[in-house]
Amino acid sequence: NAGVTQTPKFRILKIGQSMTLQCTQDMNHNYMYWYRQDPGMGLKLIYYSVGAGITDKGEVPNGYNVSRSTTEDFPLRLELAAPSQTSVYFCASSYSSGGYGDTQYFGPGTRLTVL
Amino acid sequence: KNEVEQSPQNLTAQEGEFITINCSYSVGISALHWLQQHPGGGIVSLFMLSSGKKKHGRLIATINIQEKHSSLHITASHPRDSAVYICAVGGYNTDKLIFGTGTRLQVFP
Repeated sequence: NAGVTQTPKFRILKIGQSMTLQCTQDMNHNYMYWYRQDPGMGLKLIYYSVGAGITDKGEVPNGYNVSRSTTEDFPLRLELAAPSQTSVYFCASSYSSGGYGDTQYFGPGTRLTVL
Repeated sequence: KNEVEQSPQNLTAQEGEFITINCSYSVGISALHWLQQHPGGGIVSLFMLSSGKKKHGRLIATINIQEKHSSLHITASHPRDSAVYICAVGGYNTDKLIFGTGTRLQVFP
C-alpha cells in the first residue's frame, strides 16, 4: 500500500493563479481531511469529507474548494492564490472519525509559496 | 486561549535523558492523539488514548481525563527522537481533531 500520496511536493504560484493539490489514498478510508500548517502554528482543518460525495468546511475554508467524487481521491482547489495561502498542506485519511479515536494517516505534504 | 496547550514549546536534551511533554485541553474529549513530525515534514500517529496509559518501545503516553491532561514520556532518549511532537484531541459527536502547536524536541549526542 502506498498509503496517502500528495502531489506536487513543492509549488510556487503567483498571486491570482489557481491550482489543484492532489490527494489519493489506497486504504479504502471513508474520512479524508485537508490541513494547513503555518510556521509555529498547529494544524488547521480546511475541509474534510466523510465519504464520496460528502464534504464539509473546517476552521479555515475561505479561498479553497474541494470535491470527493471517489473514495480514493480528495483534491483541494485554490482559486485566486494569495500570499496568506503560503503554507504546508497535508492531506490525511482515516477509516472512521478521528474524533472517535481512529488513527489518521498523513500524506507527505505540499509546500506552497504564493509570491 | 487555545483549546489544546502543549508545554514546553521547545525542549533540548542529552542522549539518554528521560523526556516529558505535556498536553492540557479545555474541552470534553473522546480521544487524545499523540503524533510525531520529523524534520522532513512527515507526520505519523504514535498513540491514541481514551484512558489510562499506553507504551510502545521507549514511548509512554498517559492521560488523566478528570484533570484534562496527558503526558508523553520518552525513556533513554536518542538523537533520532528529535522531532516535533503534536497533541490532538477529538470531541464527542465530532469528526474533527483540534491540534496543539507542538513541542520541538532536540536530543544531542
